[in-house]
Amino acid sequence: AQSVTQPDIHITVSEGASLELRCNYSYGATPYLFWYVQSPGQGLQLLLKYFSGDTLVQGIKGFEAEFKRSQSSFNLRKPSVHWSDAAEYFCAVGDTGFQKLVFGTGTRLLVSP
Amino acid sequence: GAVVSQHPSRVICKSGTSVKIECRSLDFQATTMFWYRQFPKKSLMLMATSNEGSKATYEQGVEKDKFLINHASLTLSTLTVTSAHPEDSSFYICSAPQRGGTVEQYFGPGTRLTVT
Repeated sequence: AQSVTQPDIHITVSEGASLELRCNYSYGATPYLFWYVQSPGQGLQLLLKYFSGDTLVQGIKGFEAEFKRSQSSFNLRKPSVHWSDAAEYFCAVGDTGFQKLVFGTGTRLLVSP
Repeated sequence: GAVVSQHPSRVICKSGTSVKIECRSLDFQATTMFWYRQFPKKSLMLMATSNEGSKATYEQGVEKDKFLINHASLTLSTLTVTSAHPEDSSFYICSAPQRGGTVEQYFGPGTRLTVT
C-alpha cells in the first residue's frame, strides 16, 4: 500500500527566506504526487501536481516541487516566503486508479517577521 | 476551476441526534466523491468513496451504519452521521475528481461538526 511521510511537523521560516518542505512516498509504480495547502478551518487548495514528464513542477503562489524517483521524494520549495504562506501543507500520493489520495501527516509552516 | 461546495460549514448537534452534510460539485459532474475526516492538527483520513447510483465503499475501520453515504445524483453526495457522539466531532471534507477532465481532485471547504 502506498504511504506518505512528511518528517517535519513544524517548520519556522523568516519572512523572505527560502523554504523546503520534505515529502517521501512509498509506492510500487510511478506515483501521482500532489501538494496541498490548508489555512485554518478551511479546505484544501492544490498547489501543484506531478503526473509525468519534467520532474520539476511549478505551482501556484511561487511554489515548485521536484520529483526524485531515486529518493522517493517530492519536496516542496519556495525561494522567498511571505507571511501569508503560513498554513498547513500536505503531500499526497494517488493510487493506481488515481482517484484515492493518501495524505501525509502535514507540516505546519510558521513565518516569523 | 472546478468548485465543490459543502453545507453546512459548521454544525452543532446534541449527542444522539443525526446530522447530514452535503457535498456538491457546482460546475461539473462527479460519479465519484470522497469523504475525509480530519482530527485537530492531524492529517486527512479517507472514510469512504461515494459512488453515484451504487453503494459507497468504506475504508477499513469506518462504521458504515454510523456514517451513511448517499450519492443521489452526479452533483450531490451526502454524509449522515447517525446517533452522533462527542467523539464524532471533527472536520469533514469531501472531494470530487472531475469526470473526463484532468486527473485531480477538487476539495470542498469542509464542515466542522461539534457534538455536545
